[in-house]
Amino acid sequence: DQQVKQNSPSLSVQEGRISILNCDYTNSMFDYFLWYKKYPAEGPTFLISISSIKDKNEDGRFTVFLNKSAKHLSLHIVPSQPGDSAVYFCAAISGGGADGLTFGKGTHLIIQP
Amino acid sequence: DVKVTQSSRYLVKRTGEKVFLECVQDMDHENMFWYRQDPGLGLRLIYFSYDVKMKEKGDIPEGYSVSREKKERFSLILESASTNQTSMYLCASSLPNRDSAFFGQGTRLTVV
Repeated sequence: DQQVKQNSPSLSVQEGRISILNCDYTNSMFDYFLWYKKYPAEGPTFLISISSIKDKNEDGRFTVFLNKSAKHLSLHIVPSQPGDSAVYFCAAISGGGADGLTFGKGTHLIIQP
Repeated sequence: DVKVTQSSRYLVKRTGEKVFLECVQDMDHENMFWYRQDPGLGLRLIYFSYDVKMKEKGDIPEGYSVSREKKERFSLILESASTNQTSMYLCASSLPNRDSAFFGQGTRLTVV
């Protein structure tokens, strides 16, 4: 059973607008969440993370929100730029991450000019 | 600068061949991981290692083995490659805390 879910395989947003990517999880032991960005034929690159003791973390144009009671997190990109077009993976860790990250299936974000 | 290096970007192998995918990290990380990425399935963990000579099965270890003889190197082995192992393989490493994992550039393996 999938523990990290990204229910939108793709999302199309106009340049300059806000992109909102969503992620749900089922495992209440997850205590750290990360977003990765991936271009074709490249490895994922770390974007932003949030600990379960927080509900918001901001880094430039990127903000991640965590709603623990709903087991939901979202990544906001404002304003969206053409270079943001990529696949975004939500990932979760429990207990320090020594046994790896659990990833969602990814959302392909397309920024329209 | 942080570096995880996978030995090949693209590989084409024949069914039944033994395949080695090599990964080296220069960050002195204890944890290393092998994932495969397939369309519509996201990243799935094959094997991981939290110390030299230690290895643990991930979610999809069947058909794979690993080797970690040195801290900086983690090898993924396909004992007898099959066409369903055609995929993008990603190596990652991390410290034993909540830091993010750093990924290599990936190896696109095609088994014909």
